[in-house]
Amino acid sequence: QVQLVQSGAEVKKPGASVKVSCKASGYTFTNYEINWVRQATGQGLEWMGWINPNSGDTGLAQNFQGRVTMTRDTSISTAYMELSSLRSEDTAVYYCARSKGDYSSIWYAIPESWGQGTLVTVSS
Amino acid sequence: DIVMTQSPDSLAVSLGERATINCKSSQSILYRSDNKNYLAWYQQKPGQPPKLLIYWASTRESGVPDRFSGSGSGTDFTLTISSLQAEDVAVYFCQQYYATPRGFGQGTRLEIK
Repeated sequence: QVQLVQSGAEVKKPGASVKVSCKASGYTFTNYEINWVRQATGQGLEWMGWINPNSGDTGLAQNFQGRVTMTRDTSISTAYMELSSLRSEDTAVYYCARSKGDYSSIWYAIPESWGQGTLVTVSS
Repeated sequence: DIVMTQSPDSLAVSLGERATINCKSSQSILYRSDNKNYLAWYQQKPGQPPKLLIYWASTRESGVPDRFSGSGSGTDFTLTISSLQAEDVAVYFCQQYYATPRGFGQGTRLEIK
């Protein structure tokens, strides 16, 4: 079955960077888009961007352009989201989510299977 | 960017009654070439990731109870729970996947009256 397992919680100081991983299993990693979404405590969902694990192409929300890097390592079926210049407002749970369908389907852009989330705390 | 706005922010409904949540996009998310509305609805319970309920505005995800339904087209959409059950207490989000950035609505908190 499809599984996305994310890395553990992180505590970072303002100005630092964090890199969250999302290890996929149960399907062909390169065929399905991965989205990254974050959620501050008690707040809504904030879409950050997508990565095409096959090509490495990304599409990012403007809010994060210049601060976020999305990459992947196809040899270990893992996607990464790195956020730099952290500030307290970046404290949130970060989720990866795989699309419902592969790139040959009409469902390629619909997040369906989600990781468990990674809490990133930014505090001095 | 397409902005998604939900209403109301919170809603209290009696068990067995109908719950209706609205979502409005700042521009049409109906793709003319395939006549599909690029809108999804998610349910999120505390401490859990979101769960996909509905996509293409009205297609129920496999395993989702048929008391959940989605409707609407263009810019105005609705999620309806026909007969509220206790397990439906959650926060509900809409999301457009028509264009990047694929924003979410701010969420609607659904409680039991």
